[in-house]
Amino acid sequence: AQRVTQPEKLLSVFKGAPVELKCNYSYSGSPELFWYVQYSRQRLQLLLRHISRESIKGFTADLNKGETSFHLKKPFAQEEDSAMYYCAPREYNFNKFYFGSGTKLNVKP
Amino acid sequence: DAGVIQSPRHEVTEMGQEVTLRCKPISGHDYLFWYRQTMMRGLELLIYFNNNVPIDDSGMPEDRFSAKMPNASFSTLKIQPSEPRDSAVYFCASSFNFGGEAFFGQGTRLTVV
Repeated sequence: AQRVTQPEKLLSVFKGAPVELKCNYSYSGSPELFWYVQYSRQRLQLLLRHISRESIKGFTADLNKGETSFHLKKPFAQEEDSAMYYCAPREYNFNKFYFGSGTKLNVKP
Repeated sequence: DAGVIQSPRHEVTEMGQEVTLRCKPISGHDYLFWYRQTMMRGLELLIYFNNNVPIDDSGMPEDRFSAKMPNASFSTLKIQPSEPRDSAVYFCASSFNFGGEAFFGQGTRLTVV
């Protein structure tokens, strides 16, 4: 069965500290990986996708096929980064997005 | 485009009543997804459509749940009869083409008392 694991429900860091939100997946095929973010009172929206290999709002994510991980990282967290983050592999052949249970990031001043 | 539009934003109903949630996808998008969000289980995919045709409904929890997409601009998710454990936020999302980014609506918060 396909599975996405985000082990931390809540992650609290101080402003300026590095942050890493963990995501591990279990898939039979070769999924495409996404990170979605939901800021307070806003819609869930795409943050980044692994095929783009880009940095969005200072966040990067590297796909490690050996470890089946797609951790989200930012070297210096900002208060405006406080939000709910979801790791979402897409089952390639079926265009199905699966979402992890989410990690709430709280950046303290 | 105003994005994916869901209605109502909030719904409170009594156990046993029928509930209908509505979604208008972004014009031109050919995929539509229904998700349910709870604290315990996060975001669960319930069903998705391609060109108005249901492709995978394996996430629909039980027969009390049904979804339709009569045309490209409208979809409904119906729960009949509703139960307190159905209380959750229900999201609709749409995407353009295979592999496109999913755009989400603002969700419907359902409370069944």
